[in-house]
Amino acid sequence: DGGITQSPKYLFRKEGQNVTLSCEQNLNHDAMYWYRQDPGQGLRLIYYSQIVNDFQKGDIAEGYSVSREKKESFPLTVTSAQKNPTAFYLCASSTGQGKNEQFFGPGTRLTVL
Amino acid sequence: GQSLEQPSEVTAVEGAIVQINCTYQTSGFYGLSWYQQHDGGAPTFLSYNALDGLEETGRFSSFLSRSDSYGYLLLQELQMKDSASYFCAAMTGGFKTIFGAGTRLFVKA
Repeated sequence: DGGITQSPKYLFRKEGQNVTLSCEQNLNHDAMYWYRQDPGQGLRLIYYSQIVNDFQKGDIAEGYSVSREKKESFPLTVTSAQKNPTAFYLCASSTGQGKNEQFFGPGTRLTVL
Repeated sequence: GQSLEQPSEVTAVEGAIVQINCTYQTSGFYGLSWYQQHDGGAPTFLSYNALDGLEETGRFSSFLSRSDSYGYLLLQELQMKDSASYFCAAMTGGFKTIFGAGTRLFVKA
């Protein structure tokens, strides 16, 4: 089955620690995205990548970092510099063509203790 | 700044028709998408408009007016399972997409 996976589903972190969220897709999509969603809020773009070894900052990139070494993978690191990291994190991928339909993973709920 | 505005909540009864509006203000614009998200789940794509007019996909239709920077999602023959949040999203260029804050739809029996 083609799809996009994120792990883990739930993640707990102590304040001051970095943590990396995994995102993998086997849809052969060029574009990948990371969004943050807070309760009752929309999706805010953290980073996106149009192609391997290239990525751009979204609207709320401060305190986050990404890499795109493989087409299938786009991990997100939440650093200790992110002041309020507790949120629901969603990864998505798309062909980047036409209607650019984005396919989302199931999300990772990060809680900072 | 760039923003999309949509109502925070809409309530309708089963079998009815409901319209969710979205106005956008972006520095670039290539098209408007709509996504559905059930509580705790991931958003799923519903429709996309690049040109003015109405696009119909089953019970869902979406409309765009580029001159008015306005679009809407129309849901017909509402079912209880349609209770969810609905997001409009603007493609602003270079694969970048900006989402609205979402409209929570409550469908009552």
